[in-house]
Parts: sequence; structure tokens; C-alpha cells
Amino acid sequence: KQEVTQIPAALSVPEGENLVLNCSFTDSAIYNLQWFRQDPGKGLTSLLLIQSSQREQTSGRLNASLDKSSGRSTLYIAASQPGDSATYLCAVGLVAGGTSYGKLTFGQGTILTVHP
Amino acid sequence: EAGVAQSPRYKIIEKRQSVAFWCNPISGHATLYWYQQILGQGPKLLIQFQNNGVVDDSQLPKDRFSAERLKGVDSTLKIQPAKLEDSAVYLCASSLDLVEYGIGAASSYNSPLHFGNGTRLTVT
Repeated sequence: KQEVTQIPAALSVPEGENLVLNCSFTDSAIYNLQWFRQDPGKGLTSLLLIQSSQREQTSGRLNASLDKSSGRSTLYIAASQPGDSATYLCAVGLVAGGTSYGKLTFGQGTILTVHP
Repeated sequence: EAGVAQSPRYKIIEKRQSVAFWCNPISGHATLYWYQQILGQGPKLLIQFQNNGVVDDSQLPKDRFSAERLKGVDSTLKIQPAKLEDSAVYLCASSLDLVEYGIGAASSYNSPLHFGNGTRLTVT
């Protein structure tokens, strides 16, 4: 059974700091890995999707890396801003084949607070 | 592009009552998901549809939960009867994933999931 763990559970940083969120998973036979952002009372917004054949993806100030062999992914946020405050969730997709390739297993999230 | 629409936004019911949630996915998205998110946890998949067929419902408590996706577009999720532990946010998501079947083989590609704002259910 795939298990996804995110560390730290909560993080508070001053504005402008670069930070790293960590995600680990127990089964390396994944199809893809996604990072999501969730604001209070809202749904999830997809930030980055990394296919199993890729090592990293970048979007603006965000960079996500994937190391399947060690079962780890990191989300790097450069020059953090108060607007980055949210819960960040990591989710892994099962290996392709069969019909469950789109099923995601989520971590419990990291609550990020960026204060001015 | 219009996002995933869900209603209602909030619902409060007593245990043993019934409740239904509605979801309208992004136009053209073949795959639709219902997730349950208990406070402080990540979402857990309840059921996945590919067009109007069920792909995965292994984590759906079928004795009380049911879902359908008529005509491969809108979907409803029902709980009957509700229990206290069903209090959670119910999230609907859709994606453009397609599976194409050729002779003796299947190919697929996946795209990011797009989530609605969810329905917050409180069972008292």
C-alpha cells in the first residue's frame, strides 16, 4: 500500500526566504507526482506535475524534483511571499497499467505561513 | 475556462439523514473523481469515473455511499444514512485523461487534476 509523508507538517518563514518542502513515498512504482496548493475553504490547485520519467519541473518561483529510486520529491519555493501562505499537498499516481492510473495518494500536507 | 463546479458549498445534517452532492466537471474532461478530505488530512479517493463508467471504487463505503455519472458529464455523490465520521469536505475533480485502445494494446496520457471548491459536510 502506497503511503505518502510530508515534512514538515507546518512551516513559518519571513518574507523573501527560500524554502523547501519534502515529500516521501513508500512505493517507487509511481506513474507521476503532483504538487497542489490548498487555500482555506478552497479546493486544490495543481502547481506542478512530474511524470515518472522526469526529474524536475519548474513554474515561476516553484521547482519540484523527483527521485523515484529514493522515494522522494521536494518542492522549492524561491523568494517566498505572504501570498504563498497555504497548505501544500504532495500526491503520487499509481503505475500505469490496468485502470487505476489516475488514482492519487495524498500526503497530509505542509501548512506554510509567510509573514511580512 | 470554467472550473469544476460543486454544490452545495455547505451542508449540515443529523446522523442517519441522507445527503447528495453535485459536481459539474470542466467541459471535455473524460475523468471525474470524488475525494473525501477529513480535517487535517490529505484527500482520499472515493470513486473515479472514466466517462460514465466506474474505474475505481475500492475505497467507497458502498453500504452507505453511492455515486453516478449519467451521460458522462455531471455526477452526484450520495450518502444514506450519514454517520458522524462522514463529516468532511467532499471534493470533486476532473482531468483530461484519455485511454485509447488499439489492437492488443492500450495507451494513455495523464494531465493535472482540476478540483472544485468542495462541499463541507457536517454531521451532528
